[in-house]
Amino acid sequence: AQSVTQLGSHVSVSEGALVLLRCNYSSSVPPYLFWYVQYPNQGLQLLLKYTSAATLVKGINGFEAEFKKSETSFHLTKPSAHMSDAAEYFCAVSRRGYSSASKIIFGSGTRLSIRP
Amino acid sequence: ETGVTQSPTHLIKTRGQQVTLRCSSQSGHNTVSWYQQALGQGPQFIFQYYREEENGRGNFPPRFSGLQFPNYSSELNVNALELDDSALYLCASSSSSGTSYEQYFGPGTRLTVT
Repeated sequence: AQSVTQLGSHVSVSEGALVLLRCNYSSSVPPYLFWYVQYPNQGLQLLLKYTSAATLVKGINGFEAEFKKSETSFHLTKPSAHMSDAAEYFCAVSRRGYSSASKIIFGSGTRLSIRP
Repeated sequence: ETGVTQSPTHLIKTRGQQVTLRCSSQSGHNTVSWYQQALGQGPQFIFQYYREEENGRGNFPPRFSGLQFPNYSSELNVNALELDDSALYLCASSSSSGTSYEQYFGPGTRLTVT
C-alpha cells in the first residue's frame, strides 16, 4: 500500500524567504513521487517529479525537491518565495515500474501563504 | 497540442438526481483517470479507463460509473446524488505507452449538491 503525509496544512513565509514544504511517503515498492500545485479554482499543475534518476529534482518556477530513501521524504523547497507562489501544494505517489495507468495517491495538501 | 478539457465548469444538482461530467483527453493519450477533490482535501482516485474499459477503481460505490469512448474522451456518471458528492471532479489523461508516467489534469468540474 502507498500513502503520503504532508506535514503542516498551512505554511506562511515572507516574500524572499525560503520555502520548505514537507512530505513523507510510504510505499512497499519503489515509488514515483510528484509535487503538484493548485491555484484557486483551477486544476492541478505538475511542479516536478522523481522517477529514480537524480535524487535532487528541479522543477518549474524555481522549485526543487530531494528524494531521501532513508528518511522516506520528498520535501519541496524554493530559495526565495514570490507572491505568485501562494497556492495549495500536493505531494503525491504512484507505483514505479508501471505506466501512467497507475493511480496517483495524493496527500492532504499544504496551503502556502506569502507575506509581503 | 490541446490539453485536457472538462465540461461543464460548474453544476448544481439536487440530492437524488443524476449527473454526467465530461472529459476530453490530451491528444495522443489513451488513458483517463477521474478524481474527486472535496473541499480542503487532496484528490481521491475514483477510477481509470484504458481502451474503453475500467482499469482500476478506488473506494467509491457503484453509483459512480464511467465510460470511455473510441476517441478516448470519457464520462463520469453519478447516480442518486448525495450531499457529500459536492466536490471538484478532476479528470487526468495519460499515455500507457513506453515509460510515460505523467498524468495531465483538466481544470475540473465543480459539483454542488443541494
